[in-house]
Amino acid sequence: DTAVSQTPKYLVTQMGNDKSIKCEQNLGHDTMYWYKQDSKKFLKIMFSYNNKELIINETVPNRFSPKSPDKAHLNLHINSLELGDSAVYFCASSPAGDLWYEQYFGPGTRLTVT
Amino acid sequence: QQPVQSPQAVILREGEDAVINCSSSKALYSVHWYRQKHGEAPIFLMILLKGGEQKGHDKISASFNEKKQQSSLYLTASQLSYSGTYFCGTEVGTASKLTFGTGTRLQVTL
Repeated sequence: DTAVSQTPKYLVTQMGNDKSIKCEQNLGHDTMYWYKQDSKKFLKIMFSYNNKELIINETVPNRFSPKSPDKAHLNLHINSLELGDSAVYFCASSPAGDLWYEQYFGPGTRLTVT
Repeated sequence: QQPVQSPQAVILREGEDAVINCSSSKALYSVHWYRQKHGEAPIFLMILLKGGEQKGHDKISASFNEKKQQSSLYLTASQLSYSGTYFCGTEVGTASKLTFGTGTRLQVTL
């Protein structure tokens, strides 16, 4: 009965590789997000989708590309990984309506680039 | 520019009170508060909206000074379970992005 799930939980890879992180929510929420939390715990939004439509696209390198095949899924593909991409990536979702403000975060994916 | 939180860290004994502050340089529509325990995901605590409306979980209280673009989170009679990093998140408009603050690490000890 996991609300927001991410796979994988840990990802260790070498510079230059391409990798993907998957996110799924079973809450029926309309909006999904990707956040990056760096080693200093700074939590920064990257992307947001509402009903499969991109609504927030922060200043992130073009190597990062989100894809939302349906309302319940938001995946993150990263090309040509760099050392600075090492971080914990959180997926989150939020509902429409009266509770629009509450974001539910997934468990995070710790990406280590060597 | 991200909101600035103070203090950066605080250590409390169980039962003591604490105040965490969040300050923004921008006019705000809302302030959100989240708590993140070590190695876990952030958890929503409450939202304070321009105009005075507040929504959130019980036992958590906060204030929002719209003129100063500041918010404070009040933790009273702290429990061990309150330990974690607290983040404020600010919005400058409706349905806009959430910009998280610098974080405040809270540790409650026996």
